[in-house]
Amino acid sequence: DVKVTQSSRYLVKRTGEKVFLECVQDMDHENMFWYRQDPGLGLRLIYFSYDVKMKEKGDIPEGYSVSREKKERFSLILESASTNQTSMYLCASSLRYGDIQYFGAGTRLSVL
Amino acid sequence: DQQVKQNSPSLSVQEGRISILNCDYTNSMFDYFLWYKKYPAEGPTFLISISSIKDKNEDGRFTVFLNKSAKHLSLHIVPSQPGDSAVYFCAASAAGNTPLVFGKGTRLSVIA
Repeated sequence: DVKVTQSSRYLVKRTGEKVFLECVQDMDHENMFWYRQDPGLGLRLIYFSYDVKMKEKGDIPEGYSVSREKKERFSLILESASTNQTSMYLCASSLRYGDIQYFGAGTRLSVL
Repeated sequence: DQQVKQNSPSLSVQEGRISILNCDYTNSMFDYFLWYKKYPAEGPTFLISISSIKDKNEDGRFTVFLNKSAKHLSLHIVPSQPGDSAVYFCAASAAGNTPLVFGKGTRLSVIA
């Protein structure tokens, strides 16, 4: 079974803090993704990566950056957290680009 | 512009009856379609998929129908069970060369 692990289930941070969300997958998948989920807005793609050190902007990259130094790990960075970044963050991985994505359990981030 | 649309934000069905969740798409290049199920505070889990060369795919109580000419797909759940209560996301990709594009989701409530 594919396992995608997000380091934290719940996080509370203060406005202006730098926040790191970590994601690890154990299936040697090439592609990894970060989404946020908000009520009524569905899943919105923030960034994705198709290879180590490669990254592509998704639909809502502003205020975020990512890092992929190893194939199995994809980090989402909030450079200076703001209250409008309070959300559920979901990491996913897939073998091929348009293939089934496997999701982690999510990180519920609250920025106060 | 939304390429994948789930026009019903919510649906309520009696236990034992059929649940029909609908999804429309605008991009004629989409050739692979998926349904995901999401419980609160968990990541989405893959449910069922269909390739554009088929018009139906069945897996137990779940059946996905694809109508390419109408650019429409639907997920049928028969019989519906209370444990099916969740948010269902429709997703699509084009020739495996693009990340999945998700709809905004439909919340299904199955009432005992």
